[in-house]
Amino acid sequence: GENVEQHPSTLSVQEGDSAVIKCTYSDSASNYFPWYKQELGKRPQLIIDIRSNVGEKKDQRIAVTLNKTAKHFSLHITETQPEDSAVYFCAASGYSTLTFGKGTMLLVSP
Amino acid sequence: NAGVTQTPKFQVLKTGQSMTLQCAQDMNHNSMYWYRQDPGMGLRLIYYSASEGTTDKGEVPNGYNVSRLNKREFSLRLESAAPSQTSVYFCASSDQGAQGYTFGSGTRLTVV
Repeated sequence: GENVEQHPSTLSVQEGDSAVIKCTYSDSASNYFPWYKQELGKRPQLIIDIRSNVGEKKDQRIAVTLNKTAKHFSLHITETQPEDSAVYFCAASGYSTLTFGKGTMLLVSP
Repeated sequence: NAGVTQTPKFQVLKTGQSMTLQCAQDMNHNSMYWYRQDPGMGLRLIYYSASEGTTDKGEVPNGYNVSRLNKREFSLRLESAAPSQTSVYFCASSDQGAQGYTFGSGTRLTVV
């Protein structure tokens, strides 16, 4: 089955800095790669996703890049704000189910 | 339009007790999922139902059973709870396979 590795497990940045979280996956058949944000005590919420026919996608301060050859994808957050502090999960899927990474706790200090 | 509703939100069980976690969605989604979340382990799939009438095992199915009661409802049952099943359980649904999951608010289960 699919295996998703996520790094780093924790990331501390100053407000205004950029943050990058990286994931690798094992199943070359996977073609959908979402990112979820989970605030403390709340449910995971989809923030951005990318499909295998696209190399990069942006949504305001958030971008995701995908390298299918190397089987890795990354989340980039620019101009970080304290409200970006949360746990971020990457995931990969072929069709039926999502396999999640173990999460990255992002701490943005004012 | 409530989305995905899970009950209960919190539960404490004694080892060996049984219970059923309920999940219902009102978005007419075909697929439903149960995940467990443990510190440092991410979200791990327990069981899923790709469509009404079908269920399949995920990564960590041992100790659990599921029922897709109808298109709206997907329940998770612990027949004999163990401390290792202490976790936060999330139900999710989607309309297009794995794309566009909507999660419920979670059930925090403690087994003592």
